[in-house]
Amino acid sequence: GENVEQHPSTLSVQEGDSAVIKCTYSDSASNYFPWYKQELGKRPQLIIDIRSNVGEKKDQRIAVTLNKTAKHFSLHITETQPEDSAVYFCAASMVDYKLSFGAGTTVTVRA
Amino acid sequence: GAVVSQHPSRVICKSGTSVKIECRSLDFQATTMFWYRQFPKKSLMLMATSNEGSKATYEQGVEKDKFLINHASLTLSTLTVTSAHPEDSSFYICSAEGAGAKNIQYFGAGTRLSVL
Repeated sequence: GENVEQHPSTLSVQEGDSAVIKCTYSDSASNYFPWYKQELGKRPQLIIDIRSNVGEKKDQRIAVTLNKTAKHFSLHITETQPEDSAVYFCAASMVDYKLSFGAGTTVTVRA
Repeated sequence: GAVVSQHPSRVICKSGTSVKIECRSLDFQATTMFWYRQFPKKSLMLMATSNEGSKATYEQGVEKDKFLINHASLTLSTLTVTSAHPEDSSFYICSAEGAGAKNIQYFGAGTRLSVL
């Protein structure tokens, strides 16, 4: 099955700086890569996703890049704000198949 | 976005009792629903995948007789933890995938189960 690895496990950044989280996956057939944000005790919220027919996608301060050859994808958060503090999970899946989640990254934005 | 409602949000029960958790898609029909278990500061561990009108598919190591899943309609799936024990205490989260949005999963708010 699919194996997703996520790094780093914790990330502390100064407000206004950028944060980058990286994930690798094992199954070259995977073609859907979402990112979820989970605040303490809350539900995971989809923040951005990318499919394998594109290399980069951006939504305001959030961007995701995908390198299918290397089988890795990354989340970029620019101009971080305190409300960006949360746990972020990457995931990978094939069409019509289940999501495999990374272990999560706890992001802390220091004011 | 699509809304998934999960109830109850918190359950405290005695060892040996059964607990039922409901997951509803409120504004869309969910062809597939997923049940996850999440330990503190850990990732989401998929327990099972359920499709409306058919038997759930359980992940390796998940006891199907322990965690009963029913997906009776396109908007409702239930997870019943039978004869719960303290080791079943955890955060259980459901998600639903809409027919028109392949792969995209919308999550419920989760149920924190504490078994005394």
